[in-house]
Amino acid sequence: GNSVTQMEGPVTLSEEAFLTINCTYTATGYPSLFWYVQYPGEGLQLLLKATKADDKGSNKGFEATYRKETTSFHLEKGSVQVSDSAVYFCAGSNTGKLIFGQGTTLQVKP
Amino acid sequence: GAVVSQHPSWVICKSGTSVKIECRSLDFQATTMFWYRQFPKQSLMLMATSNEGSKATYEQGVEKDKFLINHASLTLSTLTVTSAHPEDSSFYICSASRRYGYTFGSGTRLTVV
Repeated sequence: GNSVTQMEGPVTLSEEAFLTINCTYTATGYPSLFWYVQYPGEGLQLLLKATKADDKGSNKGFEATYRKETTSFHLEKGSVQVSDSAVYFCAGSNTGKLIFGQGTTLQVKP
Repeated sequence: GAVVSQHPSWVICKSGTSVKIECRSLDFQATTMFWYRQFPKQSLMLMATSNEGSKATYEQGVEKDKFLINHASLTLSTLTVTSAHPEDSSFYICSASRRYGYTFGSGTRLTVV
């Protein structure tokens, strides 16, 4: 079946460091891919998405490129801020249902 | 932008009682809504898919008699946790499917005492 796998956290970085959170997917066909962010005690907010191979999603300095050859959708940001501290979820969908990865907690220290 | 309003944001109930959680799409029609459950520091687990005017489709292992889902209109879906027990304590999140993605409610923290 379809699945999404994320790197395990927590990830702890200093402010202005470079961020990468790995995400790979297993699916039949080519799913749409998403990154969501969840702040403590809140629901999920869409961060970015890509719907086909080689698409790059970007928002608020975050980027992710849909790599068909490696079935990956890694999240990157060049310079993180303390306010980026949250849980990040990679997700995929090609059946109407969203399948989530395990979530990766990011903690950015000043 | 599209907004899904979820209420209540938190609720404490006694063991054996029932709790209803509502999700409303405020500025669009949601033919499909999804209900998720999230345990602390874990991912979202899909519980069921509800379609307006038809019975919900439950994921394997989810008790349909305990978690009653109703999608009576294109803007409202409800999840009722019946005869709640402490092990039902969790964070419940709804999501509405739209043409270009999904919009999530803000979640409901349920604590059963």
